[in-house]
Amino acid sequence: DAGVIQSPRHEVTEMGQEVTLRCKPISGHDYLFWYRQTMMRGLELLIYFNNNVPIDDSGMPEDRFSAKMPNASFSTLKIQPSEPRDSAVYFCASSLSPAPTEGYTFGSGTRLTVV
Amino acid sequence: GDSVTQMEGPVTLSEEAFLTINCTYTATGYPSLFWYVQYPGEGLQLLLKATKADDKGSNKGFEATYRKETTSFHLEKGSVQVSDSAVYFCALSDLMDSSYKLIFGSGTRLLVRP
Repeated sequence: DAGVIQSPRHEVTEMGQEVTLRCKPISGHDYLFWYRQTMMRGLELLIYFNNNVPIDDSGMPEDRFSAKMPNASFSTLKIQPSEPRDSAVYFCASSLSPAPTEGYTFGSGTRLTVV
Repeated sequence: GDSVTQMEGPVTLSEEAFLTINCTYTATGYPSLFWYVQYPGEGLQLLLKATKADDKGSNKGFEATYRKETTSFHLEKGSVQVSDSAVYFCALSDLMDSSYKLIFGSGTRLLVRP
């Protein structure tokens, strides 16, 4: 199993540009999560999906952020327009249903720098 | 709401020293508890877990016991190695309050010197 795959690993963009982060979950996992990690705020859950449907997006910072999961093997997190304060490491994670006792499998993350 | 509190880091130890990283939690229901480890430049990896009171999770020489009476899940290792240097996160999952979300602590950085 290749694990959770995220791309790109690093992204540097200018303020105001659109950024798209990508995630491929583990095959068969029904839940997909997007987290953001910063020094100041630690790990924050942005949004999660169950069977491709967004369940809780209360962690999405503002309307500039959007996430989609068009099928079971692919999800995107888009920031438009990007701002310097969006600089962070963004993690995608997936897990099996319906077992919260199993924890999540995380991808290696995308380090985003907005200049 | 649910929350996890970890000891402040960094924790600096010499190789073969004993490690304890404290973790306490607040939960509405009966949570499952986890320790994750993050090595430099990588994502989080599940280290160990416990799903009910008095359960002991263990992996790679690390262990933690689910203490319901003290709402704690402290991570311990008898003899650390340089390769254990990483950031350690305590987390909980509580169906009663946080749906199907993992709530993480702020993380504790461990640095092991040769």
